[in-house]
Amino acid sequence: KAGVTQTPRYLIKTRGQQVTLSCSPISGHRSVSWYQQTPGQGLQFLFEYFSETQRNKGNFPGRFSGRQFSNSRSEMNVSTLELGDSALYLCASRPAGQGPLFTDTQYFGPGTRLTVL
Amino acid sequence: AQSVTQLGSHVSVSEGALVLLRCNYSSSVPPYLFWYVQYPNQGLQLLLKYTSAATLVKGINGFEAEFKKSETSFHLTKPSAHMSDAAEYFCAVVSSNFGNEKLTFGTGTRLTIIP
Repeated sequence: KAGVTQTPRYLIKTRGQQVTLSCSPISGHRSVSWYQQTPGQGLQFLFEYFSETQRNKGNFPGRFSGRQFSNSRSEMNVSTLELGDSALYLCASRPAGQGPLFTDTQYFGPGTRLTVL
Repeated sequence: AQSVTQLGSHVSVSEGALVLLRCNYSSSVPPYLFWYVQYPNQGLQLLLKYTSAATLVKGINGFEAEFKKSETSFHLTKPSAHMSDAAEYFCAVVSSNFGNEKLTFGTGTRLTIIP
């Protein structure tokens, strides 16, 4: 079974631009979560989508948004990029997608490394 | 709010020696705890998780962790380190706020194996 895939793997943008990152979950997984990883702030949860609806949300400004399609693929969008948005963005999917987070395992993709100049 | 603290951002051990990575949690309710590993240029991989079924949890690659409520700890151990264990390790806890659930990670511990 193919793992979680993220595209692109690397991206360079300039301040003020917007960016869209894509995540394809493992086949059959219905929940997709997004995380931001930076040296300063570590790993931080952005949001989770299930059945095309945002179910859980972290503490990020509205510039960060996402969506999920009927095939469970998800996209994350960051508008008006800032230097501090430079990070590794990780996507994770989980099988059942239902029930609390501890009830099943999240599988992570390799991430998209975003550099904002 | 639930949180985890990892003691030691860098740990070095000799090949064949005991690996001990420390994680303490803060939670007013029974916590659900995880250990993840991240190899260079890769995503995170689950090593093991504690969901209150058993206090000693065995994971992949020979790792295990023991939940100690009295010490609010969930330290990760491996009896004999291997060169392939060199990676960054993250402890995490499920935190919940008015039904909004998320995984909260520690700051990570980079493990170096000395040949």
